[in-house]
Amino acid sequence: AQSVTQLDSQVPVFEEAPVELRCNYSSSVSVYLFWYVQYPNQGLQLLLKYLSGSTLVKSINGFEAEFNKSQTSFHLRKPSVHISDTAEYFCAVTGNSGNTPLVFGKGTRLSVIA
Amino acid sequence: ETGVTQSPTHLIKTRGQQVTLRCSSQSGHNTVSWYQQALGQGPQFIFQYYREEENGRGNFPPRFSGLQFPNYSSELNVNALELDDSALYLCASSSPGRQETQYFGPGTRLLVL
Repeated sequence: AQSVTQLDSQVPVFEEAPVELRCNYSSSVSVYLFWYVQYPNQGLQLLLKYLSGSTLVKSINGFEAEFNKSQTSFHLRKPSVHISDTAEYFCAVTGNSGNTPLVFGKGTRLSVIA
Repeated sequence: ETGVTQSPTHLIKTRGQQVTLRCSSQSGHNTVSWYQQALGQGPQFIFQYYREEENGRGNFPPRFSGLQFPNYSSELNVNALELDDSALYLCASSSPGRQETQYFGPGTRLLVL
């Protein structure tokens, strides 16, 4: 079984400042890792994912996350945030051995302040 | 390409009633998963359907049931509604050979009074 811990429930940050949203996972098997974003009153949108290969993965809107197996982490970063990045961010994990469900963290609310 | 769609968007029911939520998967996707997201929480896995059969289930009671149809659309049925069933219900679909990557619909918000 897998579990996910998102260490910060809320992260306020000023516009154009950098941000890091932390995610740690637990699993007895090798994993796939995901970040999803949820804007108010909407569903989840896939932001980026790590399946294999390079441990640094990037999204089209400037976010990146690095898979660190030794620290069991998959932190999300952006060097300069915009007002439009205000949303709830969810880290999720699944085992890579077959049809296992996504296990989500409780989410981090990113609030970008003008 | 059409994304995942869900209906209705909002629903109000009373305790003890039954509800059916519907989901159309993204074009080419044959696996559908359902999640419950309570207020302020992350989504919790309910079950998954693949080729019209249940293919995994989370820690939800039997009054949560589902169906998948030949066109890969799906239904979530909840019987004997309880107040704690109030939540956002999310459907996600994934493609053959890439079942780990799930694409979500906008959700159905259910309020049980």
